[in-house]
Amino acid sequence: QKEVEQDPGPLSVPEGAIVSLNCTYSNSAFQYFMWYRQYSRKGPELLMYTYSSGNKEDGRFTAQVDKSSKYISLFIRDSQPSDSATYLCAMSTHTGYSSASKIIFGSGTRLSIRP
Amino acid sequence: DTGVSQNPRHKITKRGQNVTFRCDPISEHNRLYWYRQTLGQGPEFLTYFQNEAQLEKSRLLSDRFSAERPKGSFSTLEIQRTEQGDSAMYLCASSSLAGGSTDTQYFGPGTRLTVL
Repeated sequence: QKEVEQDPGPLSVPEGAIVSLNCTYSNSAFQYFMWYRQYSRKGPELLMYTYSSGNKEDGRFTAQVDKSSKYISLFIRDSQPSDSATYLCAMSTHTGYSSASKIIFGSGTRLSIRP
Repeated sequence: DTGVSQNPRHKITKRGQNVTFRCDPISEHNRLYWYRQTLGQGPEFLTYFQNEAQLEKSRLLSDRFSAERPKGSFSTLEIQRTEQGDSAMYLCASSSLAGGSTDTQYFGPGTRLTVL
């Protein structure tokens, strides 16, 4: 079993819809949670990060972490065709202050926003 | 451009040849990471440097792989005697702990390797 599980999709929604992307994980030591966006043949681009359970909002994006359920989500409001990409959840056991922050990635969910 | 840069962007080689990739991190970032990403998968950690010291290597990094960061700035990843299974995107990321930052990793565009 992988440490981080993510539905690969593809997920196709109409423009303007709310998108929900999710990951589950098995390692309770994970404490730093991230979402990256990756366009085709490009490197991953950091969207959001958070340490704690709860919600964090940034514009149209909201990241949610539930450590008790080992479940994280990314919500995209008012989705746009430019949001079409692969979304990777990612997490690590350290915040980085004392040791390396090796990131464990999900396999990515391919998202398509239809105009 | 002040982001992470990687060269070459694409490399096609024949099985058995050696290849070398270069990564230039964000200026003054003291940590540098290498990841490998295959089609339909997320990136997988290969190795990590803090300044010029290589502090961790994944079991994915076989003896044919070697990485260096000689002056604590740019890094190279060399693959000797390439195999078709080495075909992947090789990603570099950098981060910094300066100023109480969170070691957030910023990725380069990657080098796509195709072994024929």
